[in-house]
Amino acid sequence: DAGITQSPRHKVTETGTPVTLRCHQTENHRYMYWYRQDPGHGLRLIHYSYGVKDTDKGEVSDGYSVSRSKTEDFLLTLESATSSQTSVYFCAISIAQGSGNTIYFGEGSWLTVV
Amino acid sequence: AQSVTQLGSHVSVSEGALVLLRCNYSSSVPPYLFWYVQYPNQGLQLLLKYTTGATLVKGINGFEAEFKKSETSFHLTKPSAHMSDAAEYFCAVKGEYGNKLVFGAGTILRVKS
Repeated sequence: DAGITQSPRHKVTETGTPVTLRCHQTENHRYMYWYRQDPGHGLRLIHYSYGVKDTDKGEVSDGYSVSRSKTEDFLLTLESATSSQTSVYFCAISIAQGSGNTIYFGEGSWLTVV
Repeated sequence: AQSVTQLGSHVSVSEGALVLLRCNYSSSVPPYLFWYVQYPNQGLQLLLKYTTGATLVKGINGFEAEFKKSETSFHLTKPSAHMSDAAEYFCAVKGEYGNKLVFGAGTILRVKS
């Protein structure tokens, strides 16, 4: 258990509405990530953070924004949800272990945009 | 930059048979390689990882993988499949000093009784 909590775990929302997903970690790990999972694509990085107020884009960042005002929380916002953003969203953290870091994942947030 | 190719989106084996899931990677820097498993409606669980040192890596649940630099491969194997191994498996790569994982598309393993 890497101490990652995602909320909400399931959400149905309407096209055009804003949605915020929250990721909370119980320890002060520096790196946090948001990935989305879609069939045939594996997991793709949306945004990541390397510290409070330090964030950067991943490969599929269009339509998403993030914020990290506290070390333990990393928020993902869909400003105006679209059906193409229906997906499973995973938060992850990077933990230093022996030689190199290992990335651990939360349980996922299932988002349906109708 | 890194990329991962998993050969075969679906693999089916009989219970007790060898499991072989293929992963080839591309990396411009020394790679760190990972296998994750995902059971239905759950998050990803780390199976094993290669960073440096021994190229044959043992993981949980009897799985192992071998890093072959000359073949740019990191195939996952298990000598004898169990029904509980049915899941989706993801291979992933990151650079030695990087902090971002790049994933393959995943392989769904089906185990037949």
